[in-house]
Amino acid sequence: AQTVTQSQPEMSVQEAETVTLSCTYDTSESNYYLFWYKQPPSRQMILVIRQEAYKQQNATENRFSVNFQKAAKSFSLKISDSQLGDTAMYFCAFMADMEYGNKLVFGAGTILRVKS
Amino acid sequence: EPEVTQTPSHQVTQMGQEVILRCVPISNHLYFYWYRQILGQKVEFLVSFYNNEISEKSEIFDDQFSVERPDGSNFTLKIRSTKLEDSAMYFCASGRARNTGELFFGEGSRLTVL
Repeated sequence: AQTVTQSQPEMSVQEAETVTLSCTYDTSESNYYLFWYKQPPSRQMILVIRQEAYKQQNATENRFSVNFQKAAKSFSLKISDSQLGDTAMYFCAFMADMEYGNKLVFGAGTILRVKS
Repeated sequence: EPEVTQTPSHQVTQMGQEVILRCVPISNHLYFYWYRQILGQKVEFLVSFYNNEISEKSEIFDDQFSVERPDGSNFTLKIRSTKLEDSAMYFCASGRARNTGELFFGEGSRLTVL
């Protein structure tokens, strides 16, 4: 079974600063995907960034980047130039690459508050 | 931009009543899911659905739960006899293909069981 651990229940950052959210996971699968999803208050989860496990290069999406350490099973999210609209719950998630559809396994989430 | 839509946004029901939560996934997606999030807890997988059948279900998804895709567009979650502990936010999600890895979520249906 896969598990995802987010050890930071809450984080705060000043606007325009950089923040890093931590995530570790455990799996015996060799092919899988890792994700960070953002859930603003009372809104649906939306995908922030995705990493395929077979890719060594860290994924980047504008101000969002990851530090993927496969051997350590670590997948942290860095948000640069934080904006007020980044305030949300952030979930780290794991998906094994299986034949009949894939379920996401979520971490407990980290509440990020961006302060002006 | 296509999105997953869910109805109702909030439903209040009495314990023991049947509840149906409805979802309209993105039209060209093939994989469908229900997740739930009890207040203050993590998002939990309930069931995945592919090719008109359940492909995987969790321990939570017992005989009180069922899913259907009755008309090729809607994807429903039925709880036959609700319990207090079924109170949660229920999220529907859909995915286009197996190896993209990305799921698109609806805004959720909040179920309150009294």
